[in-house]
Amino acid sequence: EDKVVQSPLSLVVHEGDTVTLNCSYEVTNFRSLLWYKQEKKAPTFLFMLTSSGIEKKSGRLSSILDKKELFSILNITATQTGDSAIYLCAGTRMDSNYQLIWGAGTKLIIKP
Amino acid sequence: DTGVSQDPRHKITKRGQNVTFRCDPISEHNRLYWYRQTLGQGPEFLTYFQNEAQLEKSRLLSDRFSAERPKGSFSTLEIQRTEQGDSAMYLCASSLDTGQWAQYFGPGTRLTVL
Repeated sequence: EDKVVQSPLSLVVHEGDTVTLNCSYEVTNFRSLLWYKQEKKAPTFLFMLTSSGIEKKSGRLSSILDKKELFSILNITATQTGDSAIYLCAGTRMDSNYQLIWGAGTKLIIKP
Repeated sequence: DTGVSQDPRHKITKRGQNVTFRCDPISEHNRLYWYRQTLGQGPEFLTYFQNEAQLEKSRLLSDRFSAERPKGSFSTLEIQRTEQGDSAMYLCASSLDTGQWAQYFGPGTRLTVL
């Protein structure tokens, strides 16, 4: 059965720290891995990763995929209180037009 | 705002009542998805449309749930005879059907069944 596991489940750091969130996956016919940020509303799309070793970057956020070891990381540098959220990752399959296999999320709290 | 929109944002209803939610996807997106999310869980897939065709329904979707997308644009999700276990956030997302696979979510409708 396909699964996506995120770690840690929760993380508390101080403003300015750098954090690394982990997402490991076992997805048959893997296509891509997606990262989302969820505050008190719906998930907001961050990154889609399909190729190993190519870093995607957006401001202080960056992410990379390792298709050999079946994991992805999301890095946030110089964290701010506005980064506090649940970060979700999801895998997609080549043979499915719709299915996202979701992790349970990492709850990140940034203390001022 | 050209993102996905949902209406209403909040709905409180009594057990046994019917409720209907609406989703307007990003205009050029021909795929539309409905999810349900409860606290501490990732979104749970309910159903999806390609244009007006409903191509997949989760086995978790009971016969009290029905979704339509009559003209391939907006969609509605109806829950009949609501139960307390239906209380959740109902999320709509849309995407293109090209190689760009990211689904973009609306703000959600939070349903509370009393």
